[in-house]
Amino acid sequence: KQEVTQIPAALSVPEGENLVLNCSFTDSAIYNLQWFRQDPGKGLTSLLLIQSSQREQTSGRLNASLDKSSGRSTLYIAASQPGDSATYLCAAPEYGNKLVFGAGTILRVKS
Amino acid sequence: DGGITQSPKYLFRKEGQNVTLSCEQNLNHDAMYWYRQDPGQGLRLIYYSQIVNDFQKGDIAEGYSVSREKKESLPLTVTSAQKNPTAFYLCASSPGQGWETQYFGPGTRLLVL
Repeated sequence: KQEVTQIPAALSVPEGENLVLNCSFTDSAIYNLQWFRQDPGKGLTSLLLIQSSQREQTSGRLNASLDKSSGRSTLYIAASQPGDSATYLCAAPEYGNKLVFGAGTILRVKS
Repeated sequence: DGGITQSPKYLFRKEGQNVTLSCEQNLNHDAMYWYRQDPGQGLRLIYYSQIVNDFQKGDIAEGYSVSREKKESLPLTVTSAQKNPTAFYLCASSPGQGWETQYFGPGTRLLVL
């Protein structure tokens, strides 16, 4: 059974800082891994999807990497802004067409 | 605009009452999902459906039921058997396989009176 863990649970940084969010998963036989953003009281928005054949995926200031052999993914946010404040969740597939989500990292970027 | 709509935004349930949460999508997606989110926890899968008239239980299906009579809709009923229903409920859809990108609705917050 797939288990997904995210570290840290919460992070507070000053504006402009580069930061890294971590995600680990137990079953490395995955097709891909996804990162989502959730604003308070809202639904999830897909940020990046990394296929198992890829090592990295980039979108603007966001860069996600995937290392299947170690069961880890990282989300790198460059030059953080107050608008980046949100909860970031990673999700890995499990058999039966399901996604398993981590508990998320709550990010606060202070201006 | 294509997307997923959920209603209502807030729902109040009395003891012993069944309530139904609505989820509609116009993305022409085959698969739809219901998740429950509690504070400090990730999303947990309640039910999912890959085609019309078919659905499977997720990890926490007890006390919930769904129907998939139309491709566009997957209503979730929270029955009186669900003793702790207070949570944020999220509906999602994907084109086919669950490991593809899932698109989420805005959520429904269920509270018990």
